[in-house]
Order: sequence, then C-alpha cells, then structure tokens
Amino acid sequence: SQQGEEDPQALSIQEGENATMNCSYKTSINNLQWYRQNSGRGLVHLILIRSNEREKHSGRLRVTLDTSKKSSSLLITASRAADTASYFCATAGDSGTYKYIFGTGTRLKVLA
Amino acid sequence: NAGVMQNPRHLVRRRGQEARLRCSPMKGHSHVYWYRQLPEEGLKFMVYLQKENIIDESGMPKERFSAEFPKEGPSILRIQQVVRGDSAAYFCASSPPRGPYNEQFFGPGTRLTVL
Repeated sequence: SQQGEEDPQALSIQEGENATMNCSYKTSINNLQWYRQNSGRGLVHLILIRSNEREKHSGRLRVTLDTSKKSSSLLITASRAADTASYFCATAGDSGTYKYIFGTGTRLKVLA
Repeated sequence: NAGVMQNPRHLVRRRGQEARLRCSPMKGHSHVYWYRQLPEEGLKFMVYLQKENIIDESGMPKERFSAEFPKEGPSILRIQQVVRGDSAAYFCASSPPRGPYNEQFFGPGTRLTVL
C-alpha cells in the first residue's frame, strides 16, 4: 500500500531562513496535498498539486512534484516563528481518490 | 460558508464508556470522511460515508467502532466500550461531489482521552 513519508522528521531553523521538507510515496497518485498542523490543533490545507503538475506556488510556499521519483517537496521561504508547526503530505491514489494516505509529518521549529 | 464543524472538541471518557463524536460537513458537501491521529503520527483513514450510506469502512476497527451519516443531522462516529488505546484525535473531513481531483476540508478534530 502506498505511504507518504516525510523527511526530515524534525527541522529547526532560524527566522528568515528557508525550510525544505520532502515527501516520498510508493504508488501512482492522482494528487498530493500538503497540510500544516499547529500543536494540538486541526489541519490547515496549504496546497494541492495534481499528478500532471510539476510545481505550484502560494505566497511563500513552493511545492514540487516528481512523479518519476514519487516524491514531492515543500519549500517555505523567509520563514517566520508562526510557521512553527507539523507539516504533512497526503496522497490520493488513482483509484479511490478519497482515501488520503498521510505521512508521519515533519516537525518544523522556527527560532526567533 | 462555515467550515467543517466537529463537536465536542475535547472528550474524556472512562474505560468501558461510550464515545460519540459528531461532524457537520461544509454546506453543499455530501461526502464525509473520518480519520484518526495517534500521538506523533499522521492521520489514518477510517471510513467514508455519503448520506445514509457507508461507502468504505476498510480503516475502521472491526469491533466497537461504528459510523453513520443520516439523511438529517451530522455524521456520528461511535466508539463503544472505549479502551485507553482509543485515545487519539479524530478528524472529520468533507468534500463536494466527487471529481478526479477532490479536496477534502478538515474539521478541527475531537480529542478523545480515555482514563
């Protein structure tokens, strides 16, 4: 079964630096999404990238998708303390696009 | 347009009691999904429902767990005779009628603590 796995598991950076998180998965996908979760809170949807797209931007976020390598990356530029959170990728397969497979997340800490 | 609503946000139960978690999807959404998140882990799919129908419950434990989405009212995830291992955050998501690229909108979650 497919599984999203993020790396690194934890990342600590200084405010103003860029943060890059990676997600790998095992089977073909229909789309891949990135979510943010603040400690003990709900999920905030960041970006959806479709399998026929290679790159997408939203504000300070940049997501890439490489279906040949079955991987995606999330780049947060000019990080802020408020970006401190866990970041998850979720994949939806070709069949049954409703069954999202979440990775275990990258815990990002941005130091002021 | 209000987002996905879940209540209660926090629920404490003693072992052996029943837990009822409610989810109201976004307006216009008729598809509901439940996920469970154990501490320090990602979300795991449990069940997918449409109005009055369970479409896929492959992620639900076979015993003690049930879900429904009646014609009127919220979706309910019911856990009978709770055990400590049921302590987790339970998230509900909803989506509009399915297309090839559907996005699920998540609620704030219900944090269940079993004493």
